[in-house]
Amino acid sequence: DAKTTQPPSMDCAEGRAANLPCNHSTISGNEYVYWYRQIHSQGPQYIIHGLKNNETNEMASLIITEDRKSSTLILPHATLRDTAVYYCIAPAGGTSYGKLTFGQGTILTVHP
Amino acid sequence: GAVVSQHPSWVICKSGTSVKIECRSLDFQATTMFWYRQFPKQSLMLMATSNEGSKATYEQGVEKDKFLINHASLTLSTLTVTSAHPEDSSFYICSAREPPPGILKNIQYFGAGTRLSVL
Repeated sequence: DAKTTQPPSMDCAEGRAANLPCNHSTISGNEYVYWYRQIHSQGPQYIIHGLKNNETNEMASLIITEDRKSSTLILPHATLRDTAVYYCIAPAGGTSYGKLTFGQGTILTVHP
Repeated sequence: GAVVSQHPSWVICKSGTSVKIECRSLDFQATTMFWYRQFPKQSLMLMATSNEGSKATYEQGVEKDKFLINHASLTLSTLTVTSAHPEDSSFYICSAREPPPGILKNIQYFGAGTRLSVL
């Protein structure tokens, strides 16, 4: 897996956009970037993934820089229920296909 | 997204007994499932990869004779913690990978987890 670096914690006001950065400077050309989140005492939840183009779904947007060395997950209108640990993962392919290596992630706290 | 059910959500057992945890993909067939363990205030750690109809692949340092994995059908994988001890107390989470044609997306759907407490 490509090493990813995320800030340990971030705060966001309810209703505002939450922008969570991730550095993955060693990512290779065929490695996707995945974002998952884990709400306290629950299993992780898939959010979004991308290779090089920006992506958007009903949960979030993913902005990937042109050199693919970093990305930003955007929650456009954060709610209190978005408080969770957010993981940015760039799994390797080949024999490691499918394996996710979870780092420490970013603890996002959304406050009223 | 796809739904993965995990049972039980919470179990307490005595030291030396065995505990079985079930992971089911409810609305899709999963040829590959994964088992993770998470200790308090730590991140998830992959224990093993479970492939339907074949032996599981264990990560380095995970005792395969202690953590028995069976993936006998396309919708069910089980993890049995044998001769459990207090140090096995943890949060165990399973996941299932999206089936074809979505398999290339390599998206995993997770169960809600099982909290195991060994007394």
